[in-house]
Amino acid sequence: DVKVTQSSRYLVKRTGEKVFLECVQDMDHENMFWYRQDPGLGLRLIYFSYDVKMKEKGDIPEGYSVSREKKERFSLILESASTNQTSMYLCASTWRYNQPQHFGDGTRLSIL
Amino acid sequence: GQQLNQSPQSMFIQEGEDVSMNCTSSSIFNTWLWYKQEPGEGPVLLIALYKAGELTSNGRLTAQFGITRKDSFLNISASIPSDVGIYFCAAPLGGGSEKLVFGKGTKLTVNP
Repeated sequence: DVKVTQSSRYLVKRTGEKVFLECVQDMDHENMFWYRQDPGLGLRLIYFSYDVKMKEKGDIPEGYSVSREKKERFSLILESASTNQTSMYLCASTWRYNQPQHFGDGTRLSIL
Repeated sequence: GQQLNQSPQSMFIQEGEDVSMNCTSSSIFNTWLWYKQEPGEGPVLLIALYKAGELTSNGRLTAQFGITRKDSFLNISASIPSDVGIYFCAAPLGGGSEKLVFGKGTKLTVNP
């Protein structure tokens, strides 16, 4: 089975802090994704990566950056956290396009 | 842009009842995916459909890929309390894109 592991289930940070969310997958998948999920808005793509050191902006990249130094690890960075970034963050991976994405358990992030 | 219209938004049913939900689009897709998300967890892939007209089962779940390739249906038979959660349809955008488009979800509540 595919395993996508997110480093924290719950995280509380303060406004202005730099926040790192980590995601690791164990299936040698090429593609990795970061989403945020908010009530009424569904899943929205922040960034994705199709190879090591490669990244592309999703639909809502503002206020975020990403890093993919190794194939199995994809990090989401909130450069200066703000309260409107309080959300559920989901990481996903897939072997190639047109294949199902497999999700981690999510990180519920609260910015105070 | 491409959208998936999922209905109903929510369902309240009694244990033992059958459930039907669907996803429609004005665009054609080559793959349809159905996920379930339980409270506080990440989405889990239930069924993947790759061929128009395909009917696939996973236990009490059955999903169909519409003939027009613009819709998909998910049925749950003899519901049980652990079926509660949010069910999402999703489809890869295709054309070499790694992105998925998601429905807004159907929230299922099962009364014992």
